[in-house]
Amino acid sequence: GAVVSQHPSRVICKSGTSVKIECRSLDFQATTMFWYRQFPKQSLMLMATSNEGSKATYEQGVEKDKFLINHASLTLSTLTVTSAHPEDSSFYICSAPGPTENTIYFGEGSWLTVV
Amino acid sequence: GENVEQHPSTLSVQEGDSAVIKCTYSDSASNYFPWYKQELGKRPQLIIDIRSNVGEKKDQRIAVTLNKTAKHFSLHITETQPEDSAVYFCAASSIRDSWGKLQFGAGTQVVVTP
Repeated sequence: GAVVSQHPSRVICKSGTSVKIECRSLDFQATTMFWYRQFPKQSLMLMATSNEGSKATYEQGVEKDKFLINHASLTLSTLTVTSAHPEDSSFYICSAPGPTENTIYFGEGSWLTVV
Repeated sequence: GENVEQHPSTLSVQEGDSAVIKCTYSDSASNYFPWYKQELGKRPQLIIDIRSNVGEKKDQRIAVTLNKTAKHFSLHITETQPEDSAVYFCAASSIRDSWGKLQFGAGTQVVVTP
């Protein structure tokens, strides 16, 4: 069945550096993907809508210059956390609507730790 | 935009009893309401969903009810088992937004004690 794959599953980076997380739709095309952030014991908070071939749409309060989203192909969206700080440490997870109207697929999620 | 509220935040039940989690939403244009079960550090797992043209849906021990007038929907788990212990999230999707865009409730930690 349709699968959304996310990479890396875990990443540790130094404060001030940037880290990229990839979200791929493996056997279907996704013109739209969504990025969420989840802090421990909290809910999934929608960060942005990734649109293939155009700019991402960010939710209120999410810094677009800090969380760069690129959706250059129909199967890949990337989230780059720039100038990462310890408070950016979180679980980041992407999703994509599947090929049928009734499905939404989530990636495995990526644990980011900024030290 | 859509705002989803979920209650309670924690729920302890005896094995075999029923568990009910309630959510309210604000956007009258919301038309899709999924429920997810999530284990720590893993992707949310869809357990049941309902669309706005249906008032109730059941799948074995799990059921969801929707009241569009009151803008609330509920998850019902009957005959709870220890393996039902997890965090549950409700979510809502609006026709005003791109399909697949979800606003999540705050989550409910369900603990089923033997």
